Amino acid sequence: EAGVTQFPSHSVIEKGQTVTLRCDPISGHDNLYWYRRVMGKEIKFLLHFVKESKQDESGMPNNRFLAERTGGTYSTLKVQPAELEDSGVYFCASSQDTNNYGYTFGSGTRLTVV
Amino acid sequence: QQQVKQSPQSLIVQKGGISIINCAYENTAFDYFPWYQQFPGKGPALLIAIRPDVSEKKEGRFTISFNKSAKQFSLHIMDSQPGDSATYFCAASRRTGGTYKYIFGTGTRLKVLA
Repeated sequence: EAGVTQFPSHSVIEKGQTVTLRCDPISGHDNLYWYRRVMGKEIKFLLHFVKESKQDESGMPNNRFLAERTGGTYSTLKVQPAELEDSGVYFCASSQDTNNYGYTFGSGTRLTVV
Repeated sequence: QQQVKQSPQSLIVQKGGISIINCAYENTAFDYFPWYQQFPGKGPALLIAIRPDVSEKKEGRFTISFNKSAKQFSLHIMDSQPGDSATYFCAASRRTGGTYKYIFGTGTRLKVLA
């Protein structure tokens, strides 16, 4: 079984530019989560999709962040325009159903805004 | 407001020694407490987890001790090995509106000396 795949693994962009992160969950996993870790701090919840619907987006920092999951398969997280404080590692995770406590995380995308 | 406090931030242990990482939480509604292990360049991977109705769970060399009254839980790694060198995150979770949202600690970087 393929794991959760994230692209790109690293991205360096200038302040004000746009970046799109992609996550391919494990096939058949309806639940997809985005988390972010700012350097040295805790991993923080951003949002949760069930299939193509946003179940909870309470952790999204502001309206510069837009997450989509068209067709209930892969998801994208767009940051536009990027700010310095957006730097960090963005993790995607998936799980089979909402009664499953255990997530499978991807390797993350390290975003650096300069 | 950080709801899960993790200590220490870093830990150095000799091979064969015991590694102990502690976490404290605030919200008594949490009902699932996992530990994640993360190697450089990889995503967090579920190591072991416990629910608040038991005081201890052991899997191989890894043990979670849980103190519900003190709202604390800890990870013990017995006979620590250099391959255990990684960052460890504790987390707490409860179901809220159909989402199992994790609240993570800030992580402990463990180094086991050969």
